[in-house]
Amino acid sequence: SAVISQKPSRDICQRGTSLTIQCQVDSQVTMMFWYRQQPGQSLTLIATANQGSEATYESGFVIDKFPISRPNLTFSTLTVSNMSPEDSSIYLCSVVGFRDRGNEYNEKLFFGSGTQLSVL
Amino acid sequence: GQQLNQSPQSMFIQEGEDVSMNCTSSSIFNTWLWYKQDPGEGPVLLIALYKAGELTSNGRLTAQFGITRKDSFLNISASIPSDVGIYFCAGASWGKFQFGAGTQVVVTP
Repeated sequence: SAVISQKPSRDICQRGTSLTIQCQVDSQVTMMFWYRQQPGQSLTLIATANQGSEATYESGFVIDKFPISRPNLTFSTLTVSNMSPEDSSIYLCSVVGFRDRGNEYNEKLFFGSGTQLSVL
Repeated sequence: GQQLNQSPQSMFIQEGEDVSMNCTSSSIFNTWLWYKQDPGEGPVLLIALYKAGELTSNGRLTAQFGITRKDSFLNISASIPSDVGIYFCAGASWGKFQFGAGTQVVVTP
């Protein structure tokens, strides 16, 4: 499993400002995702962070609101732009681990410790 | 995205009791995963299941990959106070992951 460091761990922000969340992995990983978890809810995929190219966003999420960078295979950032109280959530960086044994192919998802964001 | 059907939504149990929860899906998966999440933290992987019918244990935790590949269950035996948290199931196939809504477990002394 990978060690995923995410920061900040929490922040309280004012409406209209932006926050950049950093994710550092201790090994090179191919697939890296950003998730949002609204209070009391399950995990919603925001986007896949692609190394060297633009992120791939899920329906309902756009680059202007959630710009993502991935300069290399161990690091990514997610920015929450022009924040409103509705953006108050936990934001999670995650990476995929693979298990390939010939005719068996499996994936596991590992998460960072999360960034708990509160927007006033 | 589509969410898995996870039940129960919450459980209030006494210390020492066993806990069971399950997830079902209309889709088949290559992998089933079970996570535990503490408040304000990211989910931590508890058990990964790789083959239909597989039964895997991790301490007091036991999970099974359903033979249809569309379901999985997690059991916690002899619960203790630190078992409190939200448990999520996830199904994975070819880089796509789907999650259940979570089961909140509360353990009372």
